[in-house]
Amino acid sequence: QVHLQESGPGLVKPSQTLSLTCSVSGDSISSGTYFWTWIRLPAGKGLEWIGRIYSTGSTYYNPSLNGRVTLSLDSSKNQFSLKLSSVTAADTAVYYCAGEPDSGDNWFDSWGQGTLVTVSS
Amino acid sequence: QSALTQPASVSGSPGQSITISCTGTTSDIGGYNYVSWYQLHPGKAPKLMISDVTSRPSGVSNRFSGSKSANTASLTISGLQAEDEADYYCCSYTSSGTPYVFGTGTKVTVL
Repeated sequence: QVHLQESGPGLVKPSQTLSLTCSVSGDSISSGTYFWTWIRLPAGKGLEWIGRIYSTGSTYYNPSLNGRVTLSLDSSKNQFSLKLSSVTAADTAVYYCAGEPDSGDNWFDSWGQGTLVTVSS
Repeated sequence: QSALTQPASVSGSPGQSITISCTGTTSDIGGYNYVSWYQLHPGKAPKLMISDVTSRPSGVSNRFSGSKSANTASLTISGLQAEDEADYYCCSYTSSGTPYVFGTGTKVTVL
């Protein structure tokens, strides 16, 4: 397991871009040990898988988000980031970063505490 | 794809056993033995409680157990304790859309 911590603005205006960063400790994001993942929890709804990025920069996004998602790595800071464009109130949620082990395992064994992002003018 | 279906709430008295169901389809739960369960406490990092349907990660109490039958997975908490009060979510690998689909979530209340 690794330690993850999300950071970023808690309030974003409609139509703008939501930007969050996940700081990783206990492993290098370049090691290939994990798929670095973003998951969100809208109020009153269930968890939703947003997307993941691998150490190579390869990405996989949730098609239901209609191309609004971009994930990136910053190896110098051992961080990975989420950008969600053209946000609406429906994007209000607690956003979690998580790690899915790249060992054929199909689960998330490391999570951040989550950060609430509200979309409102 | 659609979320997996869980009961909104389950409750029990201390010491009792409760079971949370998680129903999907042959494209997810029924097709793979890749069901995991997560415990969410407000303000804390979610915790992996069960992986691969029945496996319990190191450090997780043996009061938690998982099972699966056809398209439905279940999480059983035996000897219910006050600290078990939390939200629980199932998750399955899926062959449609995204690699993973989560459940709708179940709030466990210890009476």
